[in-house]
Amino acid sequence: GENVEQHPSTLSVQEGDSAVIKCTYSDSASNYFPWYKQELGKRPQLIIDIRSNVGEKKDQRIAVTLNKTAKHFSLHITETQPEDSAVYFCAASRDSGTYKYIFGTGTRLKVLA
Amino acid sequence: NAGVTQTPKFRILKIGQSMTLQCTQDMNHNYMYWYRQDPGMGLKLIYYSVGAGITDKGEVPNGYNVSRSTTEDFPLRLELAAPSQTSVYFCASSRTWGQEYGYTFGSGTRLTVV
Repeated sequence: GENVEQHPSTLSVQEGDSAVIKCTYSDSASNYFPWYKQELGKRPQLIIDIRSNVGEKKDQRIAVTLNKTAKHFSLHITETQPEDSAVYFCAASRDSGTYKYIFGTGTRLKVLA
Repeated sequence: NAGVTQTPKFRILKIGQSMTLQCTQDMNHNYMYWYRQDPGMGLKLIYYSVGAGITDKGEVPNGYNVSRSTTEDFPLRLELAAPSQTSVYFCASSRTWGQEYGYTFGSGTRLTVV
């Protein structure tokens, strides 16, 4: 069945360093890849997304890259800050039909001051 | 504009009891979803709906039922609560014509079955 693998499960970085989270998907028909940030006790919030016709997208300190051939995509956070500490989820979806997301298992990011 | 509203926020159930988790959205989204999130884990799809009167099973539907009589409401029913259903439940909705804004999630319902 459809599956999204996410690594690492936990990541600790020093404030100001970069963080990279990687996801691999199995459904070759997936063409939409959102990333969600979930702070402790809160709902997941969309932070950035990318479509299959784009290789990279950037929004201030956050960027996402996509390699369709290898079926993997990554989240890059530069100049990390303590408020970046949260759990990050990737997901894959088709842009048709049910639009349901298949989520990765999450990465707990800790930014150390 | 309230977005996606879930009630209750917290609930403790005894084994064998039943309850309904409510979910309402005011964005006129056709697509709605129920996910569960176990401690330290990702989100697993329970049920989803592509419009009023249409529902389908997700990855982990056993022990749950849903209905979708209106565009706005998508309640999730637990008939015979079991400890394995202790989790945080999130309802979400999305547009039909592509994922312009992604899912909008509700604030979640934290359910404990004892």
